[in-house]
Amino acid sequence: GQSLEQPSEVTAVEGAIVQINCTYQTSGFYGLSWYQQHDGGAPTFLSYNALDGLEETGRFSSFLSRSDSYGYLLLQELQMKDSASYFCAVRGGYQKVTFGIGTKLQVIP
Amino acid sequence: DVKVTQSSRYLVKRTGEKVFLECVQDMDHENMFWYRQDPGLGLRLIYFSYDVKMKEKGDIPEGYSVSREKKERFSLILESASTNQTSMYLCASRGQGSINGYTFGSGTRLTVV
Repeated sequence: GQSLEQPSEVTAVEGAIVQINCTYQTSGFYGLSWYQQHDGGAPTFLSYNALDGLEETGRFSSFLSRSDSYGYLLLQELQMKDSASYFCAVRGGYQKVTFGIGTKLQVIP
Repeated sequence: DVKVTQSSRYLVKRTGEKVFLECVQDMDHENMFWYRQDPGLGLRLIYFSYDVKMKEKGDIPEGYSVSREKKERFSLILESASTNQTSMYLCASRGQGSINGYTFGSGTRLTVV
């Protein structure tokens, strides 16, 4: 089976940097993804890491350490519109993706 | 942009009814998925399909079935709706070999009374 752990809530100040961690246990591993979901909206894909290291896309970066079964999403220069839920997701088998319960990020002025 | 369209945004059905949730994607993706999303439980995979007429059970298939007669359309069927199936249902698609993740529909909020 597969399980993922991520914090349920995080609060950060506008303009700051925030890191959302994700640890996982899987029977197989193809990669770690991150999704953003605003209240009432659909999840949207942010990033995918199949190999160890940091992937950067604008203000967002995602990191993976396969040996530690750990990854994180880093959001820089936080904006109010970044307030949303962020899900990590592990692809552990063919087409089989398991999502974490999500981290609700609140950005405050 | 890939578009995934779910036919209804909100549905209210009675216990015991047969319910059909429809999902259509317009980018010729091979893989389609149905998830339900509940507070504190995240997204849980119900069924997925990797080709026409092919289906695979996800983590919580009990009480559900699916149909994929055409590549662009993936239907979720609640054979006899129950109150514990009240949830947000999300359809998603992904191209074969794509590393770009899922594209989700806007969701159907189903309430079973």
